[in-house]
Amino acid sequence: ELKVEQNPLFLSMQEGKNYTIYCNYSTTSDRLYWYRQDPGKSLESLFVLLSNGAVKQEGRLMASLDTKARLSTLHITAAVHDLSATYFCAVGPASGYALNFGKGTSLLVTP
Amino acid sequence: KAGVTQTPRYLIKTRGQQVTLSCSPISGHRSVSWYQQTPGQGLQFLFEYFSETQRNKGNFPGRFSGRQFSNSRSEMNVSTLELGDSALYLCASYLQQETQYFGPGTRLLVL
Repeated sequence: ELKVEQNPLFLSMQEGKNYTIYCNYSTTSDRLYWYRQDPGKSLESLFVLLSNGAVKQEGRLMASLDTKARLSTLHITAAVHDLSATYFCAVGPASGYALNFGKGTSLLVTP
Repeated sequence: KAGVTQTPRYLIKTRGQQVTLSCSPISGHRSVSWYQQTPGQGLQFLFEYFSETQRNKGNFPGRFSGRQFSNSRSEMNVSTLELGDSALYLCASYLQQETQYFGPGTRLLVL
């Protein structure tokens, strides 16, 4: 069974600071997704990482994938309040497209 | 391009009743997956459909069923509702390995 672990689960950070969210998974996969969810809302796609060493950046967020270490990171640079949300990583299985989600990281950015 | 639509958005049912939820994927997408999101269990995979065929099913009891129509629209049905079925039900549409786009969800409350 594919297990996905995110840490930390809760993160309170000051505006302007940098931080990294980690996503570890238990079996081989080369498909890793990052999503954002605001309270009471659906999931918004942030990044899709499809190969070892893939790195994608959008604004203050940068995601990377190391398939050998079975690890993806979501790095936040100079956080702003608008980034406050819950961030999920999800891993695609070796076959099929049923995503396995982590428990999510609840991020709060404070002044 | 219109996004994924789900109906109804909110639903209140009582124990023992049944419910049908609908999902219309993005035009051109033939793959649809369903997920259940609860505070306790997080995001869990329910079903995956491609061209009217169920390709994968999550670890849910037989009370949960689904189908996909020739126009790629999908429905899921839950019979004999239990209190624990209260959740946000999310539908995602996608093109194979690309981003899975989620709809706004149907929030089901079972009393």
